[in-house]
Amino acid sequence: QSLLTQPPSVSGAPGQSITISCTGSSSNFGGDYDVHWYQQLPGTAPKLLIYANHNRPSGVPDRFSGSQSGTSASLAITGLQAEDEADYYCQSYDSSLSLYVFGTGTKVTVL
Amino acid sequence: QVHLVQSGAEVKKPGSSVKVSCKTSGGTFISNTITWVRQAPGQGLEWVGGIIPMFDSTNHAQKFQGRVTILADKTTSTVYMELNSLTSEDTAVYYCARVQFGYFDYWGQGTLVTVSS
Repeated sequence: QSLLTQPPSVSGAPGQSITISCTGSSSNFGGDYDVHWYQQLPGTAPKLLIYANHNRPSGVPDRFSGSQSGTSASLAITGLQAEDEADYYCQSYDSSLSLYVFGTGTKVTVL
Repeated sequence: QVHLVQSGAEVKKPGSSVKVSCKTSGGTFISNTITWVRQAPGQGLEWVGGIIPMFDSTNHAQKFQGRVTILADKTTSTVYMELNSLTSEDTAVYYCARVQFGYFDYWGQGTLVTVSS
């Protein structure tokens, strides 16, 4: 059972903006740890999208942004494009179980 | 630039073991933390365990206690993950990744392990 909860699916039309939520607890990113986000295109390895709550690695478009407040985190995608159709996962470390945890995953569909 | 290249797909019988390799290049192998994450068909990501080659220090998720061994070969910059007593529930793509400050910044291409009689 995942300790980080995400909506199963989110959809939007090209050009629109969407937000993916991630709910954690005080033992992970609601406490002493950061939240990170990954994009997984079909049949490929996950790719780091956002690290330490809101930072983008080099090469990630600024259409992607992250935020975190307490036990809630969000990934926002603006100007949605067909290539954004993928699965998205949040991730943190959980001190109560001493392991890295991933969110349940959200499938983004571009209509 | 860091690259992680994994070994090829495996088909194993229930009760047997599998050993997957992850060869790294770029970066500083000995000070990196390399971790393993798996993904069952149609499912989400699950952390398995990891190693810091500098200290040969390993950790793993409790559910894999007694079944997983993670090793590092410093001479070839390669990390290995061995999983024993395989069942059909271990069928998954296994990824290695580098850990940086709690996030996974570089990933291998993945290795499909199929457990079937």
